[in-house]
Amino acid sequence: ILNVEQSPQSLHVQEGDSTNFTCSFPSSNFYALHWYRWETAKSPEALFVMTLNGDEKKKGRISATLNTKEGYSYLYIKGSQPEDSATYLCALNAGGTSYGKLTFGQGTILTVHP
Amino acid sequence: GAVVSQHPSRVICKSGTSVKIECRSLDFQATTMFWYRQFPKQSLMLMATSNEGSKATYEQGVEKDKFLINHASLTLSTLTVTSAHPEDSSFYICSASPTGGTSGRPDTQYFGPGTRLTVL
Repeated sequence: ILNVEQSPQSLHVQEGDSTNFTCSFPSSNFYALHWYRWETAKSPEALFVMTLNGDEKKKGRISATLNTKEGYSYLYIKGSQPEDSATYLCALNAGGTSYGKLTFGQGTILTVHP
Repeated sequence: GAVVSQHPSRVICKSGTSVKIECRSLDFQATTMFWYRQFPKQSLMLMATSNEGSKATYEQGVEKDKFLINHASLTLSTLTVTSAHPEDSSFYICSASPTGGTSGRPDTQYFGPGTRLTVL
């Protein structure tokens, strides 16, 4: 069983603050790492798919980095806005016989206060 | 682009009845769709992988006779919870991976909004 962990479980920040959270995964089982943003009553929105060690991806004020050797990815949000409030999920595609299957972390619940 | 719908969004049923949940890719074709389940305060757990035109593959511990999956077209997969019991109450969510050459990134799973099942 693959163990994907996210920290912190929840986070409260003020509007304008920058924030970051972590996704940890077993470095020995890696094909790709996915980040999703999930707002209440909506579909999870795909943010990034990361495959290469040292990858850094950016979408607006959100960026992510990947370290496959040590088994972690960081998600950064610059200048948080209330509309960034959501649950952020990471998911591991371990490849091999598990190719395509995603193992999810429990998520980080972000609340941005005006 | 790459939109997935799921119906119904919420269903309440009596114990012993069967419930069908539909997952549709609206603007792309998907050879493969996935079904996940989420219990309170837990992460999304993969139940099964649905492949168009062939039998679904189920994860360990998931009863294939209880959770029937049909993927009859490149845009529709259905999950039927047969003879539902209160312990089947959960949040069920599907995802779809675009087939190459259609809208969306083929390396990404696009999710529906989920279905909340409550079995009385």
